[in-house]
Amino acid sequence: QKEVEQDPGPLSVPEGAIVSLNCTYSNSAFQYFMWYRQYSRKGPELLMYTYSSGNKEDGRFTAQVDKSSKYISLFIRDSQPSDSATYLCAMNQGAQKLVFGQGTRLTINP
Amino acid sequence: DTEVTQTPKHLVMGMTNKKSLKCEQHMGHRAMYWYKQKAKKPPELMFVYSYEKLSINESVPSRFSPECPNSSLLNLHLHALQPEDSALYLCASSQKVADQETQYFGPGTRLLVL
Repeated sequence: QKEVEQDPGPLSVPEGAIVSLNCTYSNSAFQYFMWYRQYSRKGPELLMYTYSSGNKEDGRFTAQVDKSSKYISLFIRDSQPSDSATYLCAMNQGAQKLVFGQGTRLTINP
Repeated sequence: DTEVTQTPKHLVMGMTNKKSLKCEQHMGHRAMYWYKQKAKKPPELMFVYSYEKLSINESVPSRFSPECPNSSLLNLHLHALQPEDSALYLCASSQKVADQETQYFGPGTRLLVL
């Protein structure tokens, strides 16, 4: 069993929809949680990071962490075609090694 | 500014060639990383430098040789690579924020080994 599970998709939704991306993890020692966005043939771009349970909002993006369920989510409101990318969750215990999910390929259709 | 730059953007090399990938950051980050990413897979950690010293080597074959000349620069020297080494090579740097090393990635070098 992988330490971090993420549905690779692909996920296709219409423009304007609310998108929900999720990861589950097995290591209860993980304390820090990140979401990266990666456009095709580009490097990952850090979208959000959090180290506590609850919600963190940044514009159209909300990151949610539920440590009791070992479950994290990224919500995208009013999705745009420019949000089409692969979204990677990543987490660790605070050290330098990140554990990544497989990435979810998301397409927003105009 | 959270910019990590990498050169070249693309590289094609034969199995007998020697080449180098370069990475630069001017954010004052004291940790720098090399990752390898194959298509439709997440990045795989190769090396970590902390304060210009190699702190993590993920059992990478010796045909990959990292070098950190100073706190802003990171090189990856390539020699006698195999076709299966073709991938996107990503550099990252990090700073500690609230006990967490937050990593920022460069755009990558796309390597093709013939």
